[in-house]
Amino acid sequence: DQQVKQNSPSLSVQEGRISILNCDYTNSMFDYFLWYKKYPAEGPTFLISISSIKDKNEDGRFTVFLNKSAKHLSLHIVPSQPGDSAVYFCATSNQAGTALIFGKGTTLSVSS
Amino acid sequence: EAGVAQSPRYKIIEKRQSVAFWCNPISGHATLYWYQQILGQGPKLLIQFQNNGVVDDSQLPKDRFSAERLKGVDSTLKIQPAKLEDSAVYLCASSLFQGPGGKNIQYFGAGTRLSVL
Repeated sequence: DQQVKQNSPSLSVQEGRISILNCDYTNSMFDYFLWYKKYPAEGPTFLISISSIKDKNEDGRFTVFLNKSAKHLSLHIVPSQPGDSAVYFCATSNQAGTALIFGKGTTLSVSS
Repeated sequence: EAGVAQSPRYKIIEKRQSVAFWCNPISGHATLYWYQQILGQGPKLLIQFQNNGVVDDSQLPKDRFSAERLKGVDSTLKIQPAKLEDSAVYLCASSLFQGPGGKNIQYFGAGTRLSVL
């Protein structure tokens, strides 16, 4: 059973528009959430994270929202750029230092 | 700052052969992880080290997989004998453990793509 679910395998967005990637989790003990970005033939690269004590974290064009009651988080990219085209993984852990549990990923395609 | 180094990048072997992967984490990172990523899936933990001790190897198929981190720095992951279902990308990651409540940002290497024929 999947503890972290990314139900949309793919998303296509036009350049300049907003990209919204979604993630659901099942275990309320998870307290730290991360988004990773992965280009072909490269390892995942850390993008942004959020602790369970917050509901929003921003870093430039990237914002992550956390809804603990719904066990849902989302990543907003505004404005989207062609270079954002990659696979995005949602990941979580239940305490610092433990291994991450990943979703299956969402492939984002940004067209110019 | 140098990132996580892994070698080889690609490996093709036949089933029942053995293979080994090497990882050198970011300098100063005490925690090292090996993940397996099967096509179409997210990375899944195989084993986690804290310095040279094993923290979690509950998902490591111990009848065929082994890993070590003898001096608390670089690490090797071995598969013997390999099966067809072991075809995957093997990712190494490291993190700077900050204690309970700290951030758990893991930095990944480029991975080793293994094909078992």
